[in-house]
Amino acid sequence: SQQGEEDPQALSIQEGENATMNCSYKTSINNLQWYRQNSGRGLVHLILIRSNEREKHSGRLRVTLDTSKKSSSLLITASRAADTASYFCASRIQGAQKLVFGQGTRLTINP
Amino acid sequence: NAGVTQTPKFQVLKTGQSMTLQCAQDMNHNSMYWYRQDPGMGLRLIYYSASEGTTDKGEVPNGYNVSRLNKREFSLRLESAAPSQTSVYFCASTPPRRDAYEQYFGPGTRLTVT
Repeated sequence: SQQGEEDPQALSIQEGENATMNCSYKTSINNLQWYRQNSGRGLVHLILIRSNEREKHSGRLRVTLDTSKKSSSLLITASRAADTASYFCASRIQGAQKLVFGQGTRLTINP
Repeated sequence: NAGVTQTPKFQVLKTGQSMTLQCAQDMNHNSMYWYRQDPGMGLRLIYYSASEGTTDKGEVPNGYNVSRLNKREFSLRLESAAPSQTSVYFCASTPPRRDAYEQYFGPGTRLTVT
């Protein structure tokens, strides 16, 4: 089964609100990454957090990692219509040269 | 730089036909990957190549073969297409940094098998 599971599967909010997405994983990781996918396009890397980090920021993005709970969250602040996309977490399992992706959260920002 | 390119963008096959999906990257990346994306399933790894000359199976390799032609190119072949292989296929590559493995994706190939 998939290493990563995401919650919620879909999220719809008003422009300007904050959006939070959660990701859980099963085994020890080197790092956890978040990607965005606009409709009909390839995935784009957003942010990476290493297993020894607890929180990381990049612009309006804030990622947290709790290795004791094997979970991560992605917060997008002050959402914009252009943030409408699917968001995927991906974990790099320790010792592996590949990532394992979650099923994604579909985020819709309503104007 | 063009990044990761994939051809074709769309393809319709009949059951039993064969085809090769092409992927190339011009970023001097070592590792390359093939995924399939189905509704509600996220991305599932088909095959990957950690470096030129090596390939390994991923989560769903059955029905596929790959060739790492050189450092730039990594192709995916369907020898006898089946309707279950209808999907969107993505190629990705990773720069040679040992700890990160962030991936750069191509635009995808939408394949329909009838």
